[in-house]
Amino acid sequence: EVHLVESGGGLVQPGRSLKLSCAASGFTFSDFYMAWVRQAPKKGLEWVATISTRGTTTYYSDSVRGRFTISRDNAESNLYLQMNSLQSEDTATYYCARHGGDIRFADWGQGTLVTVSS
Amino acid sequence: DIQMTQSPASLSASLGETVSIECLASVGISNNLAWYQQKSGKSPQLLIYAGSRLQDGVPSRFSGSGSGTRYSLRISDMQPEDEAVYFCQQSYTYPLTFGSGTKLEIK
Repeated sequence: EVHLVESGGGLVQPGRSLKLSCAASGFTFSDFYMAWVRQAPKKGLEWVATISTRGTTTYYSDSVRGRFTISRDNAESNLYLQMNSLQSEDTATYYCARHGGDIRFADWGQGTLVTVSS
Repeated sequence: DIQMTQSPASLSASLGETVSIECLASVGISNNLAWYQQKSGKSPQLLIYAGSRLQDGVPSRFSGSGSGTRYSLRISDMQPEDEAVYFCQQSYTYPLTFGSGTKLEIK
């Protein structure tokens, strides 16, 4: 069974940084593209970033490009999201997701809440 | 970016009823369309991918159809556990984009 567990969320001041982690299990992590998707309170879903199997290719939404960095450690089956220059608009629950073959989001973690506020 | 226009924003249905949710892409996406269900306080779950393929474990009362720019999710024989928010997502190209969601409630 696929298991994705996010951690690292919390309250952070505007302009500061935070790093999210996602521990994956139940599948061969290095075989799959991985992603972060976020959901602001009471809002819809927003794709944030995707990383290829070896980490050599990354994709970002315009809203986070240049501020966020997605990375992975295939040896440890971990996915990361380094978030810099955080803004109030980044307040959301951040989900780790495993991509399926056609870049659908086949599996999701339970999410970790990031609140950006002074 | 591909815009995904989802409708209706909300609807209510009686148990046993059949409902449909629509998603319109701003350009043709060649059946690269997924549907997700999100129950209150939970993470989203994949229901349908490639426009019409049922994800493993999803009840057969869920079905997807469409082509080009127009896609729909159909839920037959509405059950209490189907009360949720449903999202479409184009998996055709980056940036990946979602519809705004449809809140489905039991009447």
